[in-house]
Amino acid sequence: AQRVTQPEKLLSVFKGAPVELKCNYSYSGSPELFWYVQYSRQRLQLLLRHISRESIKGFTADLNKGETSFHLKKPFAQEEDSAMYYCALRRGSGNTGKLIFGQGTTLQVKP
Amino acid sequence: KAGVTQTPRYLIKTRGQQVTLSCSPISGHRSVSWYQQTPGQGLQFLFEYFSETQRNKGNFPGRFSGRQFSNSRSEMNVSTLELGDSALYLCASSLGGVAEAFFGQGTRLTVV
Repeated sequence: AQRVTQPEKLLSVFKGAPVELKCNYSYSGSPELFWYVQYSRQRLQLLLRHISRESIKGFTADLNKGETSFHLKKPFAQEEDSAMYYCALRRGSGNTGKLIFGQGTTLQVKP
Repeated sequence: KAGVTQTPRYLIKTRGQQVTLSCSPISGHRSVSWYQQTPGQGLQFLFEYFSETQRNKGNFPGRFSGRQFSNSRSEMNVSTLELGDSALYLCASSLGGVAEAFFGQGTRLTVV
């Protein structure tokens, strides 16, 4: 079965501290992995995807197929990073838009 | 360009009624997906349409249905509403294939 697990419901850090939001997945094929972010009162938006290998707003995520993980990291958290973060999986064949989401992690960055 | 537009933004219905939600995708996008977001279950996939054909369906009862029109606009319908159907319903559109999905603001449905 396809599943995405985000073990932490809430992650609270101080400004300037490193951040790691965990994501583990279960999928038998080659998935595409994404991180979506939802800031307060805003729509869900794509933060980054593993195939682009970009760094967006200082965030990076590396797909580890051995550990079936796609953790989101940022070396120095900013207050504006406070938001809800969702890890999501999509079948890698490219002919479906279906996303399977984790339960989400609320990141709270304290001043 | 205009983003994904969902109407209405808020809706209050009574148990047993039916409801229709609308989604206008970004111009040129042919794939539209629907998700239900609740505090307990998170974001769950309902169905996906591509060029007027349902391509994928989630694990929801038959009371949940949808369709897509030739201009790619999509509607979802929920019949015989239950209290548990109260949720934020999100629509996402994309060009298809490996393209990024863009989400709408959602429709907040409250069933009383």
